[in-house]
Amino acid sequence: AQSVTQLGSHVSVSEGALVLLRCNYSSSVPPYLFWYVQYPNQGLQLLLKYTTGATLVKGINGFEAEFKKSETSFHLTKPSAHMSDAAEYFCAVSDPQAGTALIFGKGTTLSVSS
Amino acid sequence: ETGVTQTPRHLVMGMTNKKSLKCEQHLGHNAMYWYKQSAKKPLELMFVYNFKEQTENNSVPSRFSPECPNSSHLFLHLHTLQPEDSALYLCASSPLARADTQYFGPGTRLTVL
Repeated sequence: AQSVTQLGSHVSVSEGALVLLRCNYSSSVPPYLFWYVQYPNQGLQLLLKYTTGATLVKGINGFEAEFKKSETSFHLTKPSAHMSDAAEYFCAVSDPQAGTALIFGKGTTLSVSS
Repeated sequence: ETGVTQTPRHLVMGMTNKKSLKCEQHLGHNAMYWYKQSAKKPLELMFVYNFKEQTENNSVPSRFSPECPNSSHLFLHLHTLQPEDSALYLCASSPLARADTQYFGPGTRLTVL
């Protein structure tokens, strides 16, 4: 069975600092991996996804994530945090061979201080 | 309208009321989902519909009754709810219910008194 673990339920950074949100997954087959963002009282919005090919994936709002098979990780990064990045971030995994729907992590709340 | 829409955005109901949540997707997708998001809890998948057929029900209490009349519309009928059912209810859609990217609506904030 697949699973996803987000390390750290809450991450705090200063404006302009590097953002690093950690996601590790468990899967017996090459997975599809996703990062979503949720702003207060809104739905989830897709930031980026990895399916096949290039392991460094660029998304919206300056975010990117790298698929590292050897580390079973898909960490989300942004070089310079902005106040508007404060939100909750969800990592998700799916099994394209079995055709399972997405399995979401518990989420990481990002706070950005000025 | 584009994307996934949900109505109402906010709903307050008593435990004896009957109400319905509506979701509509304008993306031409064939799969639709209901999720429950409670404070300090992980996202809970409730129901999955693929080509109007329910393919997944994650042990959801019968006081929640989904309906999918076509691939574009999804309803969640609510009756005799409990205060612990208060949550944000999110609808999502995807091209197919097979590992595809899901697109979410803004949610309905439900409060049960």
